[in-house]
Amino acid sequence: EAQVTQNPRYLITVTGKKLTVTCSQNMNHEYMSWYRQDPGLGLRQIYYSMNVEVTDKGDVPEGYKVSRKEKRNFPLILESPSPNQTSLYFCASSVYRGSLHGYTFGSGTRLTVV
Amino acid sequence: AQSVTQLDSHVSVSEGTPVLLRCNYSSSYSPSLFWYVQHPNKGLQLLLKYTSAATLVKGINGFEAEFKKSETSFHLTKPSAHMSDAAEYFCVVSAPGAGGTSYGKLTFGQGTILTVHP
Repeated sequence: EAQVTQNPRYLITVTGKKLTVTCSQNMNHEYMSWYRQDPGLGLRQIYYSMNVEVTDKGDVPEGYKVSRKEKRNFPLILESPSPNQTSLYFCASSVYRGSLHGYTFGSGTRLTVV
Repeated sequence: AQSVTQLDSHVSVSEGTPVLLRCNYSSSYSPSLFWYVQHPNKGLQLLLKYTSAATLVKGINGFEAEFKKSETSFHLTKPSAHMSDAAEYFCVVSAPGAGGTSYGKLTFGQGTILTVHP
């Protein structure tokens, strides 16, 4: 089944403790992206990757890092999480950026930073 | 620059009655437009898309949307609501054009929560 898999689904952590949210897709998509969803704000892009070893900032990149060493994986790293990073995170992939086929989204990771 | 405004944060309907979720967009060029649905504790699922072909677009689960350039609108409709339609809906615009840092960038509306009463 074609899908985007995120782990974990739920995570509670403490301020300053480094964490990684994994994202993997099995569709050989070139484009991958991370979003955060906050009430009343819709989804906002954190980082995106056009292909392996090519990443760039989205609209809200502060406090996040990403890497794209393999085509299928695009982990989101929070080096020193803070409470304002409490949010619902989604990974998405697409054949290419701007694909008219739309994007495939993961099921989300709900992160709470206390 | 592009933007999306979903005119209602919450819409409540009775089962069997029509659904209308309103979306207005702003874009310098002819955009691609999408509607996504998010059921509780689920990811986003593509409902339908407009990509400069027919202005009336049919999607899954009986939903459709009409692209009206003169009104810069892309409202989502369904003739008869079902309990399973209760979810949050997002209108999304994708920047057109080739090349450049904004190409293909998705901009999401704030979301509309649809409640369906028995």
